[in-house]
Amino acid sequence: GNSVTQMEGPVTLSEEAFLTINCTYTATGYPSLFWYVQYPGEGLQLLLKATKADDKGSNKGFEATYRKETTSFHLEKGSVQVSDSAVYFCALSALGGYQKVTFGIGTKLQVIP
Amino acid sequence: GAGVSQSPRYKVAKRGQDVALRCDPISGHVSLFWYQQALGQGPEFLTYFQNEAQLDKSGLPSDRFFAERPEGSVSTLKIQRTQQEDSAVYLCASSLARLGEKLFFGSGTQLSVL
Repeated sequence: GNSVTQMEGPVTLSEEAFLTINCTYTATGYPSLFWYVQYPGEGLQLLLKATKADDKGSNKGFEATYRKETTSFHLEKGSVQVSDSAVYFCALSALGGYQKVTFGIGTKLQVIP
Repeated sequence: GAGVSQSPRYKVAKRGQDVALRCDPISGHVSLFWYQQALGQGPEFLTYFQNEAQLDKSGLPSDRFFAERPEGSVSTLKIQRTQQEDSAVYLCASSLARLGEKLFFGSGTQLSVL
């Protein structure tokens, strides 16, 4: 079946540090890939997505590139801010009759001033 | 409304009680999903509706869990004879039924079974 594996946290970084959160997936066919974010006290919301190989999703300074050859979708940001502190979920949705989204375990990021 | 609305926000139940959790999706969204999120974990799929039809209920953990969406909009997740292991946040999400379309999540219902 489909699955997502992402690095476990928590990840603690100083402000302006470089961020990478690793994500790899297993799926049949060519899924769409997503990063969702959950800020403290808020619901899950989409951060970025990519729907085909070599696509790069980007939003709010975050980027992730759909790498079919390595089945990966790593999240990166060049300079994190305290406001980026949240839980980040890698996810995929498989082709088929409908779009069932499968989530990873989530990686908690804490950015300290 | 502007977003996905879930109620109640918090629910405390005694073991053995029945509970009903409500989800009001974004108007016009064909697809509706229920997920269960245990503490420190990612959301786990429970069930999927396309309009009023429940097309996938493979994630429901037992026959104590039941979901419905009779008119293709509001959905209710019912848990009968609640157990402590049912304690979790129950998330509802809706979307347009298009490839690569994102999910819009509600804030969830936090269920605590004592």
